Amino acid sequence: DTEVTQTPKHLVMGMTNKKSLKCEQHMGHRAMYWYKQKAKKPPELMFVYSYEKLSINESVPSRFSPECPNSSLLNLHLHALQPEDSALYLCASSRALAGSTDTQYFGPGTRLTVL
Amino acid sequence: RKEVEQDPGPFNVPEGATVAFNCTYSNSASQSFFWYRQDCRKEPKLLMSVYSSGNEDGRFTAQLNRASQYISLLIRDSKLSDSATYLCVVKTGGFKTIFGAGTRLFVKA
Repeated sequence: DTEVTQTPKHLVMGMTNKKSLKCEQHMGHRAMYWYKQKAKKPPELMFVYSYEKLSINESVPSRFSPECPNSSLLNLHLHALQPEDSALYLCASSRALAGSTDTQYFGPGTRLTVL
Repeated sequence: RKEVEQDPGPFNVPEGATVAFNCTYSNSASQSFFWYRQDCRKEPKLLMSVYSSGNEDGRFTAQLNRASQYISLLIRDSKLSDSATYLCVVKTGGFKTIFGAGTRLFVKA
């Protein structure tokens, strides 16, 4: 089973709202990723957690706050977003293999609109 | 110069055609290489990993040329269902993952 699930599928929020995106996998993967994808652009890496520790933060604004409560769950907390943050937010996971090909599996994404 | 570059296309080919995509990367320390496909408004799905010796999966063949820092994807006997955006993905040390801009393929009957 190579399934990564994400909730919600769609989210509309105002600039003063606080919301959270959720991602879950049960493949025993120990690396989890957040990507942002704008229309007609490729996914851009935001954060990576490896063994529940933040491994990469690609200079993402603090209004995005990731959290990895356990090895199966990854959250992205959103606060005071801007309209330009509207995008598809993709979660991915991988086995966290070192020095080898480490395939990432993507969830279906959350389509976020900031009004 | 972008770290991972692809020809955006679009490539318009008839069914049954053979089509090839290239992708170049700038970081010689890059370690892992993949091709993903992405359908409109869907998530990327792994097509194949790319190994130094080259690898084939049915109608799809991937090659890696480390000396020239490029990878390629060859699709033989194109099907209508192959219409998608093909994303070249490069991983450097650790988990840093960079996607190319993608190449759009349209296969027409």
